[in-house]
Amino acid sequence: DAGVIQSPRHEVTEMGQEVTLRCKPISGHDYLFWYRQTMMRGLELLIYFNNNVPIDDSGMPEDRFSAKMPNASFSTLKIQPSEPRDSAVYFCASSQLGKAYNEQFFGPGTRLTVL
Amino acid sequence: QKEVEQNSGPLSVPEGAIASLNCTYSDRGSQSFFWYRQYSGKSPELIMFIYSNGDKEDGRFTAQLNKASQYVSLLIRDSQPSDSATYLCAVPIKAAGNKLTFGGGTRVLVKP
Repeated sequence: DAGVIQSPRHEVTEMGQEVTLRCKPISGHDYLFWYRQTMMRGLELLIYFNNNVPIDDSGMPEDRFSAKMPNASFSTLKIQPSEPRDSAVYFCASSQLGKAYNEQFFGPGTRLTVL
Repeated sequence: QKEVEQNSGPLSVPEGAIASLNCTYSDRGSQSFFWYRQYSGKSPELIMFIYSNGDKEDGRFTAQLNKASQYVSLLIRDSQPSDSATYLCAVPIKAAGNKLTFGGGTRVLVKP
């Protein structure tokens, strides 16, 4: 299996622009998570899906952030408009409930820089 | 109080020594505990998990859990320079199903 795939790996954009991050989870996994990591705040859960349905979006910082999962193999995280404080590494992770432990497999991350 | 707390470090240990990392958590109902390793510029990867009080060993790694005191530890024996990384403690929030809360991580530096 290729693991969790994220694109792009790096994104540099200007304040006010729309940013779309993409994720393909591991086939057969029924949970998908979006995290943000910064030096100041560490690794924060933004939102997670179960069977393509958003379960908890309480970590989404504000209305500028939105996430979708149209099918089991694809999810997007969109920021519109972007701001410099959104600069961070965004990770997507997936897991499969029903295993003895809920191991989450992380993608390589997208490093976002908003100028 | 943060839900999951770790000393940020850096924890500097000589090669071959034991590195000891601690993590405390606030939710008494937590049942499972995870240690992730994150190399600089990379994504977190699971290295250990533990459910029961006591010790769990996997190679050079030992996880120790004390639910009464609400802490979980990670010991790295015979530390190698390749163990230099940030170690993240993660605890699922009982009321939220599969939602992990991560500590801030402890940075470990193993010096040859």
